[in-house]
Amino acid sequence: QVQLVESGGGLVKPGGSLRLSCAASGFIFSDYYMSWIRQAPGKGLEWVSYISSSGTTIYYADSVKGRFTISRDNAKNSVYLQMNSLRAEDTAVYYCARATGYSHGYAYYWGQGTLVTVSS
Amino acid sequence: EIVLTQSPATLSLSPGERATLSCRASQSVSSYLAWYQQKPGQTPRLLIYDASNRATGIPARFSGSGSGTDFTLTISSLEPEDFAVYYCQQRFNRLTFGGGTKVEIK
Repeated sequence: QVQLVESGGGLVKPGGSLRLSCAASGFIFSDYYMSWIRQAPGKGLEWVSYISSSGTTIYYADSVKGRFTISRDNAKNSVYLQMNSLRAEDTAVYYCARATGYSHGYAYYWGQGTLVTVSS
Repeated sequence: EIVLTQSPATLSLSPGERATLSCRASQSVSSYLAWYQQKPGQTPRLLIYDASNRATGIPARFSGSGSGTDFTLTISSLEPEDFAVYYCQQRFNRLTFGGGTKVEIK
């Protein structure tokens, strides 16, 4: 079965950096677009970033552009989110998600999330 | 960035009633719109994609309609497990979510 397991979250000071990882299994990783989506405590969903199956197409939300970098390693069945210049408003649970088989732009499978807290 | 506005913010209904949720886009997204359901403590579940197609395993009481800028998610007869938060999301131009509609028990 499809599994997505995020890691790398934690407490970081404003201006600091973190690298999130998502290990995928149960499907052919190199066939699917992958995304990072976040949810601040008690708030709604926000799409953070999205990467095509080959890594050649990448989108970022305006709120993170220039600070966050998404990447993937198809040999390791993993997707990453490098987060720099972190701000308090980046505090959220970060989910890794896999696209559907019929459309790249929707999230069908979700990991359980990793909490990122930005605070001094 | 395309902004999606969902209304109402909260919908108070009883089991068995019909729920009608709205999502309006700041510019046309064609039919590239999805609906998700999220229950407390759970990850979101894809219900509807491309405006009107039910995802695998989604009951027929969930239906989606609309195109362009105005979309609707209808739950024909609310079951107890349907009380949750619902989000719309577009994929026409990058990817954005609406702010959500909470369907609560009246």
